[in-house]
Amino acid sequence: NAGVTQTPKFRVLKTGQSMTLLCAQDMNHEYMYWYRQDPGMGLRLIHYSVGEGTTAKGEVPDGYNVSRLKKQNFLLGLESAAPSQTSVYFCASSTGRQINQPQHFGDGTRLSIL
Amino acid sequence: RKEVEQDPGPFNVPEGATVAFNCTYSNSASQSFFWYRQDCRKEPKLLMSVYSSGNEDGRFTAQLNRASQYISLLIRDSKLSDSATYLCVVNGMDSSYKLIFGSGTRLLVRP
Repeated sequence: NAGVTQTPKFRVLKTGQSMTLLCAQDMNHEYMYWYRQDPGMGLRLIHYSVGEGTTAKGEVPDGYNVSRLKKQNFLLGLESAAPSQTSVYFCASSTGRQINQPQHFGDGTRLSIL
Repeated sequence: RKEVEQDPGPFNVPEGATVAFNCTYSNSASQSFFWYRQDCRKEPKLLMSVYSSGNEDGRFTAQLNRASQYISLLIRDSKLSDSATYLCVVNGMDSSYKLIFGSGTRLLVRP
């Protein structure tokens, strides 16, 4: 019962490098989300998707890009990593627009930018 | 004002104690309310949804007060395993599916 799977679990990058974080869900959820979590702050929404082929900006989208080519996958890209992007990244998914639809999270990617 | 505000704690209680957390939210039109639990360095996990009439799940009771725009979580007979950070979550102003997470209240249950 995999649920939401994130890869990689840990990564260290140098400033200016690029990388892609992968999120995969096997629950046939329409909606997917990328968050970052920093110490003392709540989860902040980076980008989200309401269906295959669609993406939208969240609260803190600058410096990130996303793609949702397949319903089950949501990719988060860092084109030119900066130290300010050091964080824990969580992917989540949910069923849809109805109220009281919780989000289900992957176990996170810990990213350090040197 | 933050959209969702919580007392960061920590709340340090002995095993068996009853502890309550409150959370306030700013969007009077919010319709979805949840409590999530997050263990150290782990992902948030849904603890329970919060319904208008209040709801209970074992030792956990959630209440919603729409007039005052606050949500509460009561934990009875605290266990060591309840030690975690509890996140109050409300849907955002512009949609039902975008959730706003509070920064969390940390609970430490001691033997």
